Amino acid sequence: ILNVEQSPQSLHVQEGDSTNFTCSFPSSNFYALHWYRWETAKSPEALFVMTLNGDEKKKGRISATLNTKEGYSYLYIKGSQPEDSATYLCALPEAGGTSYGKLTFGQGTILTVHP
Amino acid sequence: DTEVTQTPKHLVMGMTNKKSLKCEQHMGHRAMYWYKQKAKKPPELMFVYSYEKLSINESVPSRFSPECPNSSLLNLHLHALQPEDSALYLCASSQEVDSNQPQHFGDGTRLSIL
Repeated sequence: ILNVEQSPQSLHVQEGDSTNFTCSFPSSNFYALHWYRWETAKSPEALFVMTLNGDEKKKGRISATLNTKEGYSYLYIKGSQPEDSATYLCALPEAGGTSYGKLTFGQGTILTVHP
Repeated sequence: DTEVTQTPKHLVMGMTNKKSLKCEQHMGHRAMYWYKQKAKKPPELMFVYSYEKLSINESVPSRFSPECPNSSLLNLHLHALQPEDSALYLCASSQEVDSNQPQHFGDGTRLSIL
């Protein structure tokens, strides 16, 4: 069973602040790391799928980095806006065999951006 | 708008009822998933279908019965559920069962068992 940890559990920031949070995972048998954003009353939305050590991906004001050797990924939001308020989930696929295709999610970071 | 459509959005049922949850996608994806999500917890995988064949069953009780009648549709048949089965049930799809493929989620069905 993969152990995927996210920190912090929740975060309150003011509009315009930049913020970041962490996803930690075992560095052995790494295949990929997914980031999802889940706004209340909506469906989880895929932000990034990262596969290579040193990967950096960007989507608007949101970016993510990946360090597979030390087992962590950072998600950054620049100039937070109230519409960025959501739960941010990271997930890793299990190794092959009978669990191939299974994503294990972290507990999520709940971000609240205050106007 | 989500490209994975789930119906119904809400469902209240008694423990002796039989009901079905439906999920549809028209993105040509060949992998489809059912997840269960309890409050303040992350989604937990229940089933994976790959090319309309069941590839993962995460030891889900038999009162949950999945069905994939074609590549666009995924059903979850419910029978004799327990109050602890009350949860949000999410459907997702991806191009293939592949660790590099993002999953596309529906809005979910909020299920309450009386």
